[in-house]
Amino acid sequence: NAGVTQTPKFRILKIGQSMTLQCTQDMNHNYMYWYRQDPGMGLKLIYYSVGAGITDKGEVPNGYNVSRSTTEDFPLRLELAAPSQTSVYFCASSDGAGLAGNNEQFFGPGTRLTVL
Amino acid sequence: QQPVQSPQAVILREGEDAVINCSSSKALYSVHWYRQKHGEAPVFLMILLKGGEQKGHEKISASFNEKKQQSSLYLTASQLSYSGTYFCGTRGTDSSYKLIFGSGTRLLVRP
Repeated sequence: NAGVTQTPKFRILKIGQSMTLQCTQDMNHNYMYWYRQDPGMGLKLIYYSVGAGITDKGEVPNGYNVSRSTTEDFPLRLELAAPSQTSVYFCASSDGAGLAGNNEQFFGPGTRLTVL
Repeated sequence: QQPVQSPQAVILREGEDAVINCSSSKALYSVHWYRQKHGEAPVFLMILLKGGEQKGHEKISASFNEKKQQSSLYLTASQLSYSGTYFCGTRGTDSSYKLIFGSGTRLLVRP
């Protein structure tokens, strides 16, 4: 299993541009998450999904959109990029079964995004 | 609301012990612990649930005080490989699947 994969690894955007960060998992996990991590800081939840077709906002959803058309994929869309969106973006997934839905999250390697 | 971690940073000699604390102002259903090495993704350490159930690595121990909404991670006989930033994540009793992370505790283990 490849686990959680993210593309691209690095990206530089100009202010106002848009892009989609891709996330795919091959573990058949129901739950998927998008976090951003600013330098020296913790993880902030952007959006999450508990299954195909179901998404919900996290702590910092403004400026982002998500969709979940399949179990495997959970892309994150940035519209009108701003310097404040410069960050490392992590996608994660977890199995919804067992421990009342509180299973470990498996993280992808991250995408480093710079907006200039 | 974001949980508060303490201390913010710890420096240890190999073999020494450390305790990292995590506290929340809201009622918690579970506390999750992760470790992140520089430039890498976070890696799961442990989950503690309300009611006492827990799941995690054998060499890591932690506690969860449900009444005080506090959790502590115990690192004993530290090794060089323990160095990194430790994050606690909390899930509230509001049936949401959101996991809210603290700002982290940086641990450096020296020879």
